[in-house]
Formats: sequence, structure tokens, C-alpha cells
Amino acid sequence: DQQVKQNSPSLSVQEGRISILNCDYTNSMFDYFLWYKKYPAEGPTFLISISSIKDKNEDGRFTVFLNKSAKHLSLHIVPSQPGDSAVYFCAATLLNAGGTSYGKLTFGQGTILTVHP
Amino acid sequence: NAGVTQTPKFQVLKTGQSMTLQCAQDMNHNSMYWYRQDPGMGLRLIYYSASEGTTDKGEVPNGYNVSRLNKREFSLRLESAAPSQTSVYFCASNRQGVGEQYFGPGTRLTVT
Repeated sequence: DQQVKQNSPSLSVQEGRISILNCDYTNSMFDYFLWYKKYPAEGPTFLISISSIKDKNEDGRFTVFLNKSAKHLSLHIVPSQPGDSAVYFCAATLLNAGGTSYGKLTFGQGTILTVHP
Repeated sequence: NAGVTQTPKFQVLKTGQSMTLQCAQDMNHNSMYWYRQDPGMGLRLIYYSASEGTTDKGEVPNGYNVSRLNKREFSLRLESAAPSQTSVYFCASNRQGVGEQYFGPGTRLTVT
């Protein structure tokens, strides 16, 4: 049972345009959502996150939107740059029973973003 | 700060051989994790250690064992490697109360 899904295996965008990567989840208990970026032969690196109490979080060119009723989040990259070409993973986690720490991450399958010059 | 380090970077094993993947972090994090990444599957959790002295199974623990040697180090052992364990293995860590995990560079393992 895939609790976090990225239904688009790949996305191709022109430099300077907006890239929109999508992610759906099924577990309504998830409290916290993250996006990771991964280059070939490297480990994933944290990009941006959002708590379930918010619906938007911005960091420079990157914005994450959360729609809890639809169980959907998206990552917007504006403007897209060739260096953004990578695999993007969304992930979700939830607080422990005591509300003091987050546990394991559940990842989507990833979307390969290619930004053409 | 080296962050999260993993050794070896590459390994080829024959079916039935054993090996241990090593992971260390220098960020004073409480929690450590082992994931595997397979094409089209994302990253799947094998085992994790919420704090020193504790370990728990993740989504795909069969065929693996782990040891949390101390706060810094968390190793993953394959006792009898199988071709289905061909994968890229990532170690990660984070501190209590924070959702973001920090990943090592990975170990690419091939079992023939």
C-alpha cells in the first residue's frame, strides 16, 4: 500500500518557466511533509518542508503548497534553472504519541525533473 | 563537519556472502535510519534507531540486521546476501523533534 504517491515519473520544463511537482498521500495522520532533491550518485538533500497546520511555505524560488482536504501537496520552482535538474522526492511523517518527535519518513517514488536551457 | 558518512561506496557480493555497511554521523543526532532505493520504488525504510540502544523494524527488514554501536554509528548487516538485495543503500540521521533527515552519499550494492 503506497501511502505517498508521485504519479508523474518525469517532467520536462524550459529554463525560466515554472516547474510544478505533485504528490498525493492517503494517510490523514501525516503531520509533516518534506521535499528532497537527489542528484545521481549522491544522497537526497533536504529542500523544503511544511507542517500540516500550514497551507504554504516559501523559500526563495521554492514554494510548497498543502491541500489537506485533497491530501495533495505540490512543489513550485520559479524560475526553473538547469541546475534544478534532479530527482525530486516528496516524503511524509508524523509525530509520535507524545508529540515530541517525528518518526520515519515515507517516500514517494520520485519525479525526474529536466530543465532545458 | 562531515555530516553522514557511509562505507563502502560500492560493493559486489556473491549470493550467500555476508557484509556490513557502516554509517556514522557527527551531528550529535539521536535518531538514525537505513533506507534502500530501487528504481520506481522511492526510498523504503529497512530499520531505524530512534535513540542509542534502541532499534526497530521498518517497511522491508527481512534479510537484514542492524547494530546501533553508539550515538554516532549505525551499521547494517546482510548475513546471507541475495540478488533481491541489489540496491542503493542510504543511511540518514536527525535530531529529536525535527522532521528533516540528513542523508549519506549511499552504498551501491550488487549481489550476483
